[in-house]
Amino acid sequence: GENVEQHPSTLSVQEGDSAVIKCTYSDSASNYFPWYKQELGKRPQLIIDIRSNVGEKKDQRIAVTLNKTAKHFSLHITETQPEDSAVYFCAASIPGDDMRFGAGTRLTVKP
Amino acid sequence: NAGVTQTPKFQVLKTGQSMTLQCAQDMNHEYMSWYRQDPGMGLRLIHYSVGAGITDQGEVPNGYNVSRSTTEDFPLRLLSAAPSQTSVYFCASSSKISGNTIYFGEGSWLTVV
Repeated sequence: GENVEQHPSTLSVQEGDSAVIKCTYSDSASNYFPWYKQELGKRPQLIIDIRSNVGEKKDQRIAVTLNKTAKHFSLHITETQPEDSAVYFCAASIPGDDMRFGAGTRLTVKP
Repeated sequence: NAGVTQTPKFQVLKTGQSMTLQCAQDMNHEYMSWYRQDPGMGLRLIHYSVGAGITDQGEVPNGYNVSRSTTEDFPLRLLSAAPSQTSVYFCASSSKISGNTIYFGEGSWLTVV
C-alpha cells in the first residue's frame, strides 16, 4: 500500500512569517492529495487538496504544490496568524484504494 | 445534513470488556472507514468498506471487527479491550462523486483501564 512521510514533525514560526510542510509518497499511482488541519480535541478538517493533473493550487493564504516526478507535495501558508496553530496532516490515495496519512506536523505560530 | 455521526464521544472500558462504536452517515457515501489516532501520532486505518456488505482490513485491524449491513452504518467492535487500544477513534466517509474527500466524525475518546 501507499506510504506517506511528512516533515517536519514540529514547526514554530513568528506571526506573519511563512510556513512550509512537505510530504513524500511512495506509489506513483496516487492521484489525490488532501491536507487536513486538526485543532486540539477536534476532528481533522480538509483545508485544501490537489489532484495529480494539477501542479499547484491556491486558496487565499494557503497553497499546495505537487511534483509527480519526485513524488512529493507541499503545503505553504503565508502571513501566518496565531489561529493557524494546529496539527496539519497530508494524505495520499490511489484510485479505488484507501487514504493514507502522514504522521502530522504541529505548527505553532508565535504572536 | 448531520454528516458523519459517531457515538459514544467518551468511554472508559475495563480490560477484556467488549463494546461497539457506532458510526452513521447521511451523505449516501459508498466508502466508510475507521481510524485510530494515538497521542502525537497520525491517523492509522483500522478497517474500511467500499459499500454495503463489503469490508476490508487496514493497517491496524487486530482486535477490531466491522460490518456494513447498510450504506449508512459502519459500527466498529472491540472484541476484548486492551490498554493498547486506548486511543481516539474517528469514523470517516467519502464518495467518488464528491472527489474522494474524506469527512470525519467528531471522534470517540476511548480509555481502557
